[in-house]
Amino acid sequence: DGGITQSPKYLFRKEGQNVTLSCEQNLNHDAMYWYRQDPGQGLRLIYYSQIVNDFQKGDIAEGYSVSREKKESFPLTVTSAQKNPTAFYLCASSRAGLSGNTIYFGEGSWLTVV
Amino acid sequence: KQEVTQIPAALSVPEGENLVLNCSFTDSAIYNLQWFRQDPGKGLTSLLLIQSSQREQTSGRLNASLDKSSGRSTLYIAASQPGDSATYLCAGNNAGNMLTFGGGTRLMVKP
Repeated sequence: DGGITQSPKYLFRKEGQNVTLSCEQNLNHDAMYWYRQDPGQGLRLIYYSQIVNDFQKGDIAEGYSVSREKKESFPLTVTSAQKNPTAFYLCASSRAGLSGNTIYFGEGSWLTVV
Repeated sequence: KQEVTQIPAALSVPEGENLVLNCSFTDSAIYNLQWFRQDPGKGLTSLLLIQSSQREQTSGRLNASLDKSSGRSTLYIAASQPGDSATYLCAGNNAGNMLTFGGGTRLMVKP
């Protein structure tokens, strides 16, 4: 089935540690996105990529990094510089820009700092 | 900068009732507005997408409207069912790849 796969579903990070969340899509979409969701709140954009080897910062990019070496993959690294990383992380993709295309989401990854 | 607000934050209704969820936005220069459903601990599922040139979209028991001049969108759910219980989020698209989300309305439909 076509879709977006995020892994792991649950991840625990120690203080000062970098962790990477995986996102893979087989929808042949050009654009991919990472969002953060805090409990009871809406989503905030971390990074997005419209094409391979290119990505742009969203509203809350500080403390995060991404790469887009392949069309189907858009991993997110939560670095030690991110002081409050505990949240629900959602990866998404769309055909191109969002002006006329539906966005599709993965099932999310829970990150907790221990 | 676009701001999106959803009221109420939570809503509980008996099964069978028709209901309206509200979404307001501050910047009327909007490309489109989308409504999503989110089940607990899950990702988002797109329900309806309304382009700026459209006034409403329908899918089954769902109808979404868009009034750019007043900065409002509504999601109408007819004959609600317990399976409709979820959080509903709206999001406005103003600048290409930037979606601004509201905080969501948590809906509970009681049998």
